[in-house]
Amino acid sequence: KNQVEQSPQSLIILEGKNCTLQCNYTVSPFSNLRWYKQDTGRGPVSLTIMTFSENTKSNGRYTATLDADTKQSSLHITASQLSDSASYICVVSERSQAGTALIFGKGTTLSVSS
Amino acid sequence: EADIYQTPRYLVIGTGKKITLECSQTMGHDKMYWYQQDPGMELHLIHYSYGVNSTEKGDLSSESTVSRIRTEHFPLTLESARPSHTSQYLCASRADSNNSPLHFGNGTRLTVT
Repeated sequence: KNQVEQSPQSLIILEGKNCTLQCNYTVSPFSNLRWYKQDTGRGPVSLTIMTFSENTKSNGRYTATLDADTKQSSLHITASQLSDSASYICVVSERSQAGTALIFGKGTTLSVSS
Repeated sequence: EADIYQTPRYLVIGTGKKITLECSQTMGHDKMYWYQQDPGMELHLIHYSYGVNSTEKGDLSSESTVSRIRTEHFPLTLESARPSHTSQYLCASRADSNNSPLHFGNGTRLTVT
């Protein structure tokens, strides 16, 4: 069964510190992996997409990595800010003859405190 | 900021009532989706549409229905609300490319008493 597992479930860090969120998947065949940020009371917003051939991609203080061999991705947040407090959701696209299906992780809830 | 709108933001209704959750987007996307989101759980797809007059049920069994009469509008209707329908409902759209992101509305939080 195609699954996306995220860890940790929740995380509390001090402002200014770095953190890394993990995403492991069993989705096959793989199309792409996307990280979303969901602020409280809002819909998720895309942070970055990783395709099969990409290993690392940065978007400001966010850096995503992908190891397609081990089926693992990480999202690294540098110099965290209070506004980084949110849920981070990993979504993997499964490629099929019918099109693509999106498999969602349960998310990691990040709290940044001052 | 994506141009996709959901109304109402919050809704509290009694059991047995009929409700419609509205979703509109101004990006001209053919693909639209309804997801259900509960705390600590992954988003579950309940309905999707790939264009006008095209609707399909998603992975999560749902007693709701949808319609797609216009490209920009994708309302979800519950004929008879029950307490088990209490949840957050998120509408999304995306462009045709498989690498395109989902653009989400801010959701409707539904409470059925």
